[in-house]
Amino acid sequence: DAGITQSPRYKITETGRQVTLMCHQTWSHSYMFWYRQDLGHGLRLIYYSAAADITDKGEVPDGYVVSRSKTENFPLTLESATRSQTSVYFCASSEGQLNQPQHFGDGTRLSIL
Amino acid sequence: DQQVKQNSPSLSVQEGRISILNCDYTNSMFDYFLWYKKYPAEGPTFLISISSIKDKNEDGRFTVFLNKSAKHLSLHIVPSQPGDSAVYFCAADKLSGANNLFFGTGTRLTVIP
Repeated sequence: DAGITQSPRYKITETGRQVTLMCHQTWSHSYMFWYRQDLGHGLRLIYYSAAADITDKGEVPDGYVVSRSKTENFPLTLESATRSQTSVYFCASSEGQLNQPQHFGDGTRLSIL
Repeated sequence: DQQVKQNSPSLSVQEGRISILNCDYTNSMFDYFLWYKKYPAEGPTFLISISSIKDKNEDGRFTVFLNKSAKHLSLHIVPSQPGDSAVYFCAADKLSGANNLFFGTGTRLTVIP
């Protein structure tokens, strides 16, 4: 089925470890996004990408790295995980046209011990 | 600083009645507003949107109202159904932004059968 998928759905790791969250979309949307959801904050933008090889920071980019070598994939890497990065992470995509909604994956629940 | 605010964390409504969810924003640059619905363990799902050139947009049981002078929008659900029970997020975008959505903290709607 067409859509946007995230993997893994759940991940437990330790502080200082590197972890990569995967995001794959089949719509050929030009824009892709990473958000984190925390209690009291709603969803906050970490990074976004307007096209392959084009990425930019969002509201809370510190401690995260992204890449986009192919249009359909947008992995998010925590190079040295910290407990404050325990959160639910959502990937989204959109056509990038004005006033077009973003479509979200089902999220990755990440716990850092 | 939360630029999009949903001051009611929860709302309970009887089945068949109207549900009214409220959202306030502080940034006058926002010109496109969206409502997303979220079930547990799933990603947010786009529900309805409104551009700042309109004051009302309707889609079936869902209507969004925008009051630009008050920097306020609301989502009306009529009639409310038990399947509408979910968390609703308000989001806002700037015309000059790259689809950068700013989210509220969400309102949990419970529709009582």
